[in-house]
Amino acid sequence: DAKTTQPPSMDCAEGRAANLPCNHSTISGNEYVYWYRQIHSQGPQYIIHGLKNNETNEMASLIITEDRKSSTLILPHATLRDTAVYYCIVRVATTSGSARQLTFGSGTQLTVLP
Amino acid sequence: DAGITQSPRHKVTETGTPVTLRCHQTENHRYMYWYRQDPGHGLRLIHYSYGVKDTDKGEVSDGYSVSRSKTEDFLLTLESATSSQTSVYFCAISTTPGQRHYEQYFGPGTRLTVT
Repeated sequence: DAKTTQPPSMDCAEGRAANLPCNHSTISGNEYVYWYRQIHSQGPQYIIHGLKNNETNEMASLIITEDRKSSTLILPHATLRDTAVYYCIVRVATTSGSARQLTFGSGTQLTVLP
Repeated sequence: DAGITQSPRHKVTETGTPVTLRCHQTENHRYMYWYRQDPGHGLRLIHYSYGVKDTDKGEVSDGYSVSRSKTEDFLLTLESATSSQTSVYFCAISTTPGQRHYEQYFGPGTRLTVT
């Protein structure tokens, strides 16, 4: 699986957009980009995933560069409740159960400031 | 939240005692997973299940066993707890059977302390 690199921490003002970068320069053509977050003491939460097109759902937007070597997760209007560790994960999609395991790196600690 | 509950939420036990953690889901998902989370290691897969009575080992399965006799319940057993098994344990389910994505939904976690 491609390795990802994320900044260890970021701050964002409440109400502003939070833009979280992820570098995955060794990504291969059949690997997807997934984003999860983990609010303190809770289980990880799925946010969004994409292959090469930009994606948007009710939680966030995912922007993947044309060469797919990096991506940005955008929380359009950050709130205090978005304070969490955000994980960028790159994996090949597969039907195999064992290969469905998620490998979480260190992630980015996003702190939303009032 | 995909209807996932874990019990107990907190447990303190002594070294050498058996411990069973329960994961319960209400939405009939086929795939279920047990992870542990420790500082500096992220989440690591212990065991997973792809159906009733169908289970397999993950990355850190030594010292753990699992059982799944019903779709809704996935049990994790520490046969003889050790201090190295002090951790936070998360159960997860995958909502995309037959598809190829990693949308997993996690339970609230069980904090286990082995003294």
